[in-house]
Amino acid sequence: SQELEQSPQSLIVQEGKNLTINCTSSKTLYGLYWYKQKYGEGLIFLMMLQKGGEEKSHEKITAKLDEKKQQSSLHITASQPSHAGIYLCGAHGRGGADGLTFGKGTHLIIQP
Amino acid sequence: NAGVTQTPKFQVLKTGQSMTLQCAQDMNHEYMSWYRQDPGMGLRLIHYSVGAGITDQGEVPNGYNVSRSTTEDFPLRLLSAAPSQTSVYFCASSPILRDTQYFGPGTRLTVL
Repeated sequence: SQELEQSPQSLIVQEGKNLTINCTSSKTLYGLYWYKQKYGEGLIFLMMLQKGGEEKSHEKITAKLDEKKQQSSLHITASQPSHAGIYLCGAHGRGGADGLTFGKGTHLIIQP
Repeated sequence: NAGVTQTPKFQVLKTGQSMTLQCAQDMNHEYMSWYRQDPGMGLRLIHYSVGAGITDQGEVPNGYNVSRSTTEDFPLRLLSAAPSQTSVYFCASSPILRDTQYFGPGTRLTVL
């Protein structure tokens, strides 16, 4: 079965600094999703990447997909307190109708 | 649109009790799924449905039943609650199979 490993597990950055979160798959990626979860709340969809080399941005968050490395990165520029939370990557398996496999998440803390 | 709604938000059960976690979506999505989220384990798929009348097992289905009589509703039943089922449960839906999944706010369940 597919496994997604996220790094780092936790991250503390000073407000205004840039940061990167990585998600590496044990198998070929057929699409990669990024979600954000605030503590005690549900998952908020951020972005979906489908093609190798694809890059998407929303406000100060950019996600890239490197199909050859079976890896995706999430980059936040000029971090703000509102960026704090848990970032989760998820991916579909190669076949079948089942759901997403998720990484264990990266806990992001923004220090004022 | 309300999106994906879940009730209750919190629930405490005694071992052996049964209960149903409710999930509804008003987006006319065909695909619905249930996940549980545990510390250190991430999100794991319990059951999913690709349409009304069709359900299937995910990664951790034991101890849970589902049914899908309408497009809108996808309840999760715990037949005889066990402490190992203490978790946060999330329902999700997507327009079609293997599309972006949108999550509900979650139900926090404690089994004593």
